[in-house]
Parts: sequence; structure tokens; C-alpha cells
Amino acid sequence: GEDVEQSLFLSVREGDSSVINCTYTDSSSTYLYWYKQEPGAGLQLLTYIFSNMDMKQDQRLTVLLNKKDKHLSLRIADTQTGDSAIYFCAEVPGGYQKVTFGTGTKLQVIP
Amino acid sequence: EAQVTQNPRYLITVTGKKLTVTCSQNMNHEYMSWYRQDPGLGLRQIYYSMNVEVTDKGDVPEGYKVSRKEKRNFPLILESPSPNQTSLYFCAIGGASGSTDTQYFGPGTRLTVL
Repeated sequence: GEDVEQSLFLSVREGDSSVINCTYTDSSSTYLYWYKQEPGAGLQLLTYIFSNMDMKQDQRLTVLLNKKDKHLSLRIADTQTGDSAIYFCAEVPGGYQKVTFGTGTKLQVIP
Repeated sequence: EAQVTQNPRYLITVTGKKLTVTCSQNMNHEYMSWYRQDPGLGLRQIYYSMNVEVTDKGDVPEGYKVSRKEKRNFPLILESPSPNQTSLYFCAIGGASGSTDTQYFGPGTRLTVL
């Protein structure tokens, strides 16, 4: 079945860039998503990328997709303390109707 | 504004006592799903529903049931809860395959089974 993996923890200093990585196994994935979960809250969709794209930029967020290596990354420029949260990548395999989430990366921003 | 309501938000129960966690939406979305979130495992899909009377198993359906008798409601039923079902549960609407629909999540239900 599908498997989506992320490192569990990342710590960065305020103002630096954060890079959160994700690997997936299903090569037929059509959409790949990044979600943010703040403490005590549900998940909020941050951005997504379609599988025929290599990069997508949205303000401070840059998503890179390497289909050959099945690797997805989320770069947050000028990381702020308000960016502290758990970040989940998720994939939607082609032909399926379910979303598979990664294990989540907890981002800690040090002032 | 999209609203996904879950009840209860917190529940402590004992092994074997049937319970239902309700989920309702105000967006008329066809696609609804249930997830459980556990430390180090991320979110895992329990069940999903493409439309009224259409439900299917996700990755971890064992020990759970769902029903979709009407579009706005998608309750999660634990017929005989066990301690390994202690978790944080999220209902979500939207976000079906091949769609850029935003998936909206409910606030979560924290369940403890003793």
C-alpha cells in the first residue's frame, strides 16, 4: 500500500529558512498536499502541487517535487514563531478516493 | 464558511461500551472521511464516504463502523471500544481524489478507552 514518510522533528531559528521533507511510494499520485496543524487544532491546508509540476511558490512557501526520487519538500522562508506547528504531507494516489498522510514533522521555531 | 462539527470533543469511556462520535457539515460536500491521529503515525484514514449510502474502508477500519444516511452527517461508531482505540479523531469533508478542493477538518475528538 501507500507509504508516506517524514522526519519527526525539526528545529530552526526565527528568520532562518525551514525545509520539511517527505517521501512517498505511490508513483501514480496525482496531488500532493502540505497541511499545518497548530496545537489543539485540526489540519489546515497550506498548499498543494499537482504531479506534473516540479515547483510551486506561494508567498513564503515553496514546494519542490522530485518525481524520480518520489520526494516532496516544503520550504518556509523567514520562519516565524507562528510557524511552529506539525506539518503533514499527504498524497492522493491516482484512481483512488482516499488521502494518505505522512507521519508529520513537528517544527519548533526558536526566537 | 465551511464548518465541520464533531461531538463530543472529549470522551472517556470503558472497554466494551458502545459509543458514537457524530460529524456534521454545512457545505453539502459529497466526500467525508474519518481519521485517527496517533503520535509518530500521523493521520490514518478509518473510513470514507463518496456520497449518501456509499462508504468504503480506509487504512485502519477494524473496530469501527460508519453510516451515511444523509449527506450532512457521517457518524463514527465503535461497537465495542478497546484501549487501542484511544486516539484523537478527526472528521473531514472535501478533498476527494483528483481534486483541489480544500479538505476541511473538524476540531477533533479526543477519546480515551480505559
